[in-house]
Amino acid sequence: NAGVTQTPKFQVLKTGQSMTLQCAQDMNHEYMSWYRQDPGMGLRLIHYSVGAGITDQGEVPNGYNVSRSTTEDFPLRLLSAAPSQTSVYFCASSYDRASGNTIYFGEGSWLTVV
Amino acid sequence: AQSVTQLDSQVPVFEEAPVELRCNYSSSVSVYLFWYVQYPNQGLQLLLKYLSGSTLVKGINGFEAEFNKSQTSFHLRKPSVHISDTAEYFCAVSHNTQTGTASKLTFGTGTRLQVML
Repeated sequence: NAGVTQTPKFQVLKTGQSMTLQCAQDMNHEYMSWYRQDPGMGLRLIHYSVGAGITDQGEVPNGYNVSRSTTEDFPLRLLSAAPSQTSVYFCASSYDRASGNTIYFGEGSWLTVV
Repeated sequence: AQSVTQLDSQVPVFEEAPVELRCNYSSSVSVYLFWYVQYPNQGLQLLLKYLSGSTLVKGINGFEAEFNKSQTSFHLRKPSVHISDTAEYFCAVSHNTQTGTASKLTFGTGTRLQVML
């Protein structure tokens, strides 16, 4: 069972570089999302999607782009990396039901911007 | 808007002692409540969740939590901790009103449980 798969696990970027964090799930979940985790701040929602072709902003969307061309994939793009984007990034997925969904998280991607 | 407060950033406890990790929330609508655990360098794993019904919820690894609507709390408890329980614990809430929002989690800042021998 693959669940939610994130790549890469570790990445070092220079300021101004761009990159894409990949996220794939094999559970046919409608809902996918990206969070960032910073010390003392818990997890904060960056972007989310309720289905293919539909995305929306979360709490901290600036500096990030997303797209959802398929149900399985939800990549997160950093257009011009900044040191403030040094963080641990988690992708998550679930069924989109108004019934208290179990949300599955990937293993995380550690990003350092220098 | 909703928010979650975890009052303790760190909780040290000796092995086999009981522990309570506190969580309070605020929301203008009904919520679902969750506790997640994060072991070092890993993702988040669901411990338990409250949707409706009985206010005492039992989860994995011997943890339980009690929903108290009047105090807007959802404290996590374990009667006897083990060294392997050392981890970061996150309380989270989501709206239970409609699709598209039931999966949007708002997290607390986390509580580091340190179990000592």
